[in-house]
Amino acid sequence: GAVVSQHPSWVICKSGTSVKIECRSLDFQATTMFWYRQFPKQSLMLMATSNEGSKATYEQGVEKDKFLINHASLTLSTLTVTSAHPEDSSFYICSADSGRNNEQFFGPGTRLTVL
Amino acid sequence: LAKTTQPISMDSYEGQEVNITCSHNNIATNDYITWYQQFPSQGPRFIIQGYKTKVTNEVASLFIPADRKSSTLSLPRVSLSDTAVYYCLVAGGDTGGFKTIFGAGTRLFVKA
Repeated sequence: GAVVSQHPSWVICKSGTSVKIECRSLDFQATTMFWYRQFPKQSLMLMATSNEGSKATYEQGVEKDKFLINHASLTLSTLTVTSAHPEDSSFYICSADSGRNNEQFFGPGTRLTVL
Repeated sequence: LAKTTQPISMDSYEGQEVNITCSHNNIATNDYITWYQQFPSQGPRFIIQGYKTKVTNEVASLFIPADRKSSTLSLPRVSLSDTAVYYCLVAGGDTGGFKTIFGAGTRLFVKA
């Protein structure tokens, strides 16, 4: 199946700093990518839909100025957590839409810990 | 978007067949049903997808009745490594677009 990578796989940062997470579709082009956040023992929560060449669509309750999303190419979307705080510590997962029956391929996730 | 309802958890033993049923009463005409498996600290992994009737691949079968208001994921002869959370998702080109909303999932425990 198609492969989606994320970088970094884990990151630890100080409170107040910004962290960028990359999501890449390695062997296919994805006009649409999705960003999720998952807290321990909870389900994935959709944060935003990232469309190549246009502004991301954020879910209700997700601050667009805090979670900056850029989808500059058909194989790369980035999520920047600005001025991170300890409550932003979570597992961030991206997915890329294959364009076929809404089948999504998920990245391995990025563990963010804010001290 | 169609909401899904699954059992919170299930227990099984190695070698048994496991069936996980998902309810999606307001599924739209062009929605597809997709099941994912997730291990701790990993992204979800695609298991199987279907629209109606039965679909089978090398790891699972998916049974969808004619009214499509539910679906059942069948895992034959589970092993300890099948312990994971299983998510049923319903999405497609309906008014909600292509975004995917995850339900709570079913936590499967396989015992020796």
